[in-house]
Amino acid sequence: EAGVVQSPRYKIIEKKQPVAFWCNPISGHNTLYWYLQNLGQGPELLIRYENEEAVDDSQLPKDRFSAERLKGVDSTLKIQPAELGDSAVYLCASSLEQGRGYTFGSGTRLTVV
Amino acid sequence: GENVEQHPSTLSVQEGDSAVIKCTYSDSASNYFPWYKQELGKRPQLIIDIRSNVGEKKDQRIAVTLNKTAKHFSLHITETQPEDSAVYFCAASGEGGSEKLVFGKGTKLTVNP
Repeated sequence: EAGVVQSPRYKIIEKKQPVAFWCNPISGHNTLYWYLQNLGQGPELLIRYENEEAVDDSQLPKDRFSAERLKGVDSTLKIQPAELGDSAVYLCASSLEQGRGYTFGSGTRLTVV
Repeated sequence: GENVEQHPSTLSVQEGDSAVIKCTYSDSASNYFPWYKQELGKRPQLIIDIRSNVGEKKDQRIAVTLNKTAKHFSLHITETQPEDSAVYFCAASGEGGSEKLVFGKGTKLTVNP
């Protein structure tokens, strides 16, 4: 079984530029999450999807961040415009609807210069 | 919302010794408590989890204990090996593990040969 696939693995952009991250969850996993992990910290939830519906986006900075999960499978997270403080690892995870732990992707390490 | 505290932030042990990492949580409704291991530059990987209907769970050299009354849970690693060196994160969530996971800040474990 393929795990959670994320791309790109690394991204370096200048501040004020847009950037997008892509995630393909494990087949059959209805729940998808985007987490932000700063250096030396635990992951923090940005948004959670149940199928194509965003059920928890309370921690997503909506002035510059957006996300979508068309057809309830792949998801894209976008930042526009990026700021220096957005430099971090963006992790995608997925889980079955009931009673299974998360599986994380390898993450996208974003550096804003 | 849920808040998870994790201690210690760093832990150094000699190979063969035991290591214990402790976490406390604030939301008494939380009932799923996973532990993740994250090696440098890699994704967090689930190593063990426990639900609120049990007090202890073991898997070879790893065990987790849960005290719901005191709202704390612990990870125990026995007979530590150098390959156990990593950052360990505890987390807590609502029923089933498909809700939002709130993570601790992590413990960097170093096992010295």
